[in-house]
Amino acid sequence: GAVVSQHPSWVICKSGTSVKIECRSLDFQATTMFWYRQFPKQSLMLMATSNEGSKATYEQGVEKDKFLINHASLTLSTLTVTSAHPEDSSFYICSARPTGGAGGRSSYEQYFGPGTRLTVT
Amino acid sequence: GESVGLHLPTLSVQEGDNSIINCAYSNSASDYFIWYKQESGKGPQFIIDIRSNMDKRQGQRVTVLLNKTVKHLSLQIAATQPGDSAVYFCAERRGGGSNYKLTFGKGTLLTVNP
Repeated sequence: GAVVSQHPSWVICKSGTSVKIECRSLDFQATTMFWYRQFPKQSLMLMATSNEGSKATYEQGVEKDKFLINHASLTLSTLTVTSAHPEDSSFYICSARPTGGAGGRSSYEQYFGPGTRLTVT
Repeated sequence: GESVGLHLPTLSVQEGDNSIINCAYSNSASDYFIWYKQESGKGPQFIIDIRSNMDKRQGQRVTVLLNKTVKHLSLQIAATQPGDSAVYFCAERRGGGSNYKLTFGKGTLLTVNP
């Protein structure tokens, strides 16, 4: 099946530092990737849509200067949490949508990564 | 189901019983719905989907029912097993064609007692 990986799986950082999270589609190309945030016992909230070679589209209320997204290739998107604070501690999950027809996979599907647990102290 | 604050709605069943998990969606223009299973500390896992022009779809041990009149979706799991214990989310797709995004419901915690 379609595999999406995230790295790191968990990270602890100090307040004021920046953290980069990688999302990779391992066996398909993904023109579009999505970044979600999930607080404990809550649902997934879409933060932004990342399109290869263009600027990300952020959801209302998500600070684009704080959550930097780079989708430089068809298999990699990165989310950088800049100047992290304890309230940014959360579970960050990415998903990838296959480029139309790639590997026989539907471009209407989203395949989710395993998530990255960020703790800011 | 509805959740308030930090409390997920919960459903507790005995192993072997059938489970029914409910979800209310908000956008009558949504054309595609998906149920996901999320185990603790992991990403969502696709279970089953249904398009808005259908009212029922069956998979292996799972059935999804869609009632567009009241904007309600349900997931039925037959012969529930301990491995089914997880949080279940419904998601609706908004937007047309290949440019869409998913909006997730609030989730239901299913606990299966052996």
